[in-house]
Amino acid sequence: NAGVTQTPKFRVLKTGQSMTLLCAQDMNHEYMYWYRQDPGMGLRLIHYSVGEGTTAKGEVPDGYNVSRLKKQNFLLGLESAAPSQTSVYFCASSYRGLDYGYTFGSGTRLTVV
Amino acid sequence: AQTVTQSQPEMSVQEAETVTLSCTYDTSESDYYLFWYKQPPSRQMILVIRQEAYKQQNATENRFSVNFQKAAKSFSLKISDSQLGDAAMYFCAYRIGAGSYQLTFGKGTKLSVIP
Repeated sequence: NAGVTQTPKFRVLKTGQSMTLLCAQDMNHEYMYWYRQDPGMGLRLIHYSVGEGTTAKGEVPDGYNVSRLKKQNFLLGLESAAPSQTSVYFCASSYRGLDYGYTFGSGTRLTVV
Repeated sequence: AQTVTQSQPEMSVQEAETVTLSCTYDTSESDYYLFWYKQPPSRQMILVIRQEAYKQQNATENRFSVNFQKAAKSFSLKISDSQLGDAAMYFCAYRIGAGSYQLTFGKGTKLSVIP
């Protein structure tokens, strides 16, 4: 099925470990986004990309890095995980210039212990 | 900075009844878009309805409709004939019309449907 695929769906990390979350979309969307969702906080933008090879910071970028080497993929990296990064992470994508909202992935639940 | 406020952390409705979820936003822009997203327990974010600020007519999608009051910066969601499957978190979201496609979300309203 067409859409946004996130891997993994669940992960437990120890403080200080690193990991990469992968987001892949097959809709030829130009824009891609990483959000985190915390209880009572809604969704907050971490980083986003408006095209292959470009990235930009969102509202809460500290502690995260991203890369978009291919149009269909958007990677979110945690270099040294902290308990404050325990959250549900959502990837989303959208067309440029059209306004049908985002297409979201199903989320990754990350726990840092 | 744009902000989106959902003042009702939780709400409940009897099955088959109507419920309205509130959302207000703060912006200095004249061209923008507003959305309601539904997040059931499965965690998947589902677009419910969208509204362009330049359109005066309120958007409607089946049992879902909005009351868009541009001057008051209010964007409420009305769910008619509530069903058990409507139980979910509902998020109001905003984005400006040009130059940025970032969505700003409210903190959400948890809707329970009572059989």
